[in-house]
Amino acid sequence: GAVVSQHPSRVICKSGTSVKIECRSLDFQATTMFWYRQFPKQSLMLMATSNEGSKATYEQGVEKDKFLINHASLTLSTLTVTSAHPEDSSFYICSARGDNYGYTFGSGTRLTVV
Amino acid sequence: QQQVKQSPQSLIVQKGGISIINCAYENTAFDYFPWYQQFPGKGPALLIAIRPDVSEKKEGRFTISFNKSAKQFSLHIMDSQPGDSATYFCAASKETSGSRLTFGEGTQLTVNP
Repeated sequence: GAVVSQHPSRVICKSGTSVKIECRSLDFQATTMFWYRQFPKQSLMLMATSNEGSKATYEQGVEKDKFLINHASLTLSTLTVTSAHPEDSSFYICSARGDNYGYTFGSGTRLTVV
Repeated sequence: QQQVKQSPQSLIVQKGGISIINCAYENTAFDYFPWYQQFPGKGPALLIAIRPDVSEKKEGRFTISFNKSAKQFSLHIMDSQPGDSATYFCAASKETSGSRLTFGEGTQLTVNP
């Protein structure tokens, strides 16, 4: 089956620094990748959608300069949280979709900004 | 038009009982209706999915019932087990166009031993 690998699973960073989260489709080509944010006991909130080789489409209210998304290849997308602050602490989840595949989710990244 | 409403918010069931979670959608263009199971600290995992050309799909203890005219679909978990305790999300999308999933609010299921 389709597998999506997300790293790191947990990261703690200091306020003001940047953090990069990687999302890889291991056994299929992901034409579209989605990045979500999830707060405790809440549903997944879509942040942005990216297609390989083109700029990401951000949801309303999501700062594109703060959450940089790169989808440089059909198997890799990255989310960089720039100048992180404590309010950016959250659970970030990627999802990948390829031809003939449904939506496969990564295992998530717990970001804590101190 | 993009909303998916899910109920109940939380559900407690005894071991061996039936867990039922309901969802309602508005957008008639949706053509893919998956259910995801999420454990704490993990990403959602696809449990079962249905398309609107069938009214029911069963995989093991999990069944989706789909009512196209009412724009509703539900997840039934038969013989619920403590290991089923997790958060369940329904979702919907216009999959043929590769569009985003729209998620329900989630249901916290607890199965007591």
